[in-house]
Amino acid sequence: SQKIEQNSEALNIQEGKTATLTCNYTNYSPAYLQWYRQDPGRGPVFLLLIRENEKEKRKERLKVTFDTTLKQSLFHITASQPADSATYLCGAGRDTGRRALTFGSGTRLQVQP
Amino acid sequence: DAGITQSPRHKVTETGTPVTLRCHQTENHRYMYWYRQDPGHGLRLIHYSYGVKDTDKGEVSDGYSVSRSKTEDFLLTLESATSSQTSVYFCAISESRDKNSPLHFGNGTRLTVT
Repeated sequence: SQKIEQNSEALNIQEGKTATLTCNYTNYSPAYLQWYRQDPGRGPVFLLLIRENEKEKRKERLKVTFDTTLKQSLFHITASQPADSATYLCGAGRDTGRRALTFGSGTRLQVQP
Repeated sequence: DAGITQSPRHKVTETGTPVTLRCHQTENHRYMYWYRQDPGHGLRLIHYSYGVKDTDKGEVSDGYSVSRSKTEDFLLTLESATSSQTSVYFCAISESRDKNSPLHFGNGTRLTVT
């Protein structure tokens, strides 16, 4: 069955450093990936979308890549701040079939001041 | 936040009782979704709707039913709650016909089945 995998261990980094989160997929060829941020007690909030024909997308301090050979997406936060501490979710979807995203379980990021 | 309200925000119920969760949107979006979120499993799709009275099953639909009689409301019903349905339930909406259009989530309903 199709799987979206994110590192379940929390990522701890120092303020100012670049955080890199990984999303791997197996038994699946998504047409696009979306990244969301989730704070405790809140619903996920959309951050970035990248399609399979795009290698990289940027938005302010955020960058996401999509490598269809490695079956992987990387999500980078540059110049990280304590306010970036949250859980980040990767969701994958296709242009055909059921209209809905398949999500990974998320990676918690903790940025230390 | 997109205009999505989930109610109740918290509920404790006993095994075997029926439970209905409500999602109300003020955005007039066509597509609405119910997900559940559990540790280690992430968000899993229960049911979704692509219009009034038009719904389809997701990957974990057993034990759940939905109804959408108005654009703004999408109800999730657990006919006879079980302890395995203890979870946080999120409603989401999306606007565009494009399948890659972002989802906008409510803040969830925490359901505990004792």
